[in-house]
Amino acid sequence: DVKVTQSSRYLVKRTGEKVFLECVQDMDHENMFWYRQDPGLGLRLIYFSYDVKMKEKGDIPEGYSVSREKKERFSLILESASTNQTSMYLCASSLSGFDEQYFGPGTRLTVT
Amino acid sequence: GENVEQHPSTLSVQEGDSAVIKCTYSDSASNYFPWYKQELGKRPQLIIDIRSNVGEKKDQRIAVTLNKTAKHFSLHITETQPEDSAVYFCAATGQGGKLIFGQGTELSVKP
Repeated sequence: DVKVTQSSRYLVKRTGEKVFLECVQDMDHENMFWYRQDPGLGLRLIYFSYDVKMKEKGDIPEGYSVSREKKERFSLILESASTNQTSMYLCASSLSGFDEQYFGPGTRLTVT
Repeated sequence: GENVEQHPSTLSVQEGDSAVIKCTYSDSASNYFPWYKQELGKRPQLIIDIRSNVGEKKDQRIAVTLNKTAKHFSLHITETQPEDSAVYFCAATGQGGKLIFGQGTELSVKP
């Protein structure tokens, strides 16, 4: 059974803070993804990674960066949090780009 | 750019009726089309998917149809039950194998 975990379910940060969101998967998946989910906008891809130390920009990468130092771990970094980054953040992993993506439980981030 | 449009945004049906959700995509190279269900407070989970070499796929009460010429695909749920109430997302592969998701459809099944 694939397990994708995220470091926090709820997070409250102040404007300008540096924020780290971590995601870990236990199925040796090559691909990992970070999305943000906002009502009426669906799931929008921020960054993804096909291999260790590799990263690709998604559709809304501005204001975010990522790190993948180990295959099982994919981190999303908000260098200087802003109120418009208040959202639900979902991590996912998959065996390949054309396979089922398994999602983590999500982190609801509030920036005040 | 790559885009997936999903309609309707909300759908309310009576228990036992059928529900249909439609999506259109822009990238003619897309070849994998999954559907995810997200229950309230839970993570999205895959319920059915279809690849471009197939026109229709069925799994019990759910089915998906794909029209590559028109670049649209649909989810059909028959004999709806209250536990089908959720947000449903369609998706299509974009460049590099990433998924482009639709905006979501909130389905409400009234007993």
